[in-house]
Amino acid sequence: ETGVTQTPRHLVMGMTNKKSLKCEQHLGHNAMYWYKQSAKKPLELMFVYNFKEQTENNSVPSRFSPECPNSSHLFLHLHTLQPEDSALYLCASSQDPPRRTNEKLFFGSGTQLSVL
Amino acid sequence: EDQVTQSPEALRLQEGESSSLNCSYTVSGLRGLFWYRQDPGKGPEFLFTLYSAGEEKEKERLKATLTKKESFLHITAPKPEDSATYLCAVPSGNTPLVFGKGTRLSVIA
Repeated sequence: ETGVTQTPRHLVMGMTNKKSLKCEQHLGHNAMYWYKQSAKKPLELMFVYNFKEQTENNSVPSRFSPECPNSSHLFLHLHTLQPEDSALYLCASSQDPPRRTNEKLFFGSGTQLSVL
Repeated sequence: EDQVTQSPEALRLQEGESSSLNCSYTVSGLRGLFWYRQDPGKGPEFLFTLYSAGEEKEKERLKATLTKKESFLHITAPKPEDSATYLCAVPSGNTPLVFGKGTRLSVIA
């Protein structure tokens, strides 16, 4: 079983839909992250969770709502998205939160989201 | 503001033709420079972490080096299976990795 699992792999939704992305890590890590990857742009950090607590929100629009019920699971709830939100959404985890000793990120395969 | 810049944006090589990818960075107090490989439709896969100038790490046909301002990913005698996007990243302040845009490598048989 892979270290970080994301579902679904692909998602097509209309602008009025509500959907959720799911991420689960099997590595025993303490920090989890959501990144957005758009064409021709670097990965953009969206949210950071340390020990289930949100510590970073990089000015992400409220139509993206994260949830971290425990240190192994992370969700991204989506509603009333725009076509420019179409992108690859990547979940990642790390043993330690930023500024600690081990900051290496492990990524899932991502959810390719298309907003029509 | 901390930044990571990668060049070239894309690189096309013949099989066996060695080359290097560049990653230049500006960050206060480097806590590591990370290289990842990303295949189409997949998440980035960790390759190396370098912590201090002069450090080198190798994995198969890849060798990463680090100076005070940049890192190089050297690819020796590449094969088609080395085709991927190579990403460079650094931790920055209280946030995790800040990534460059990547170099898209194509190795032609």
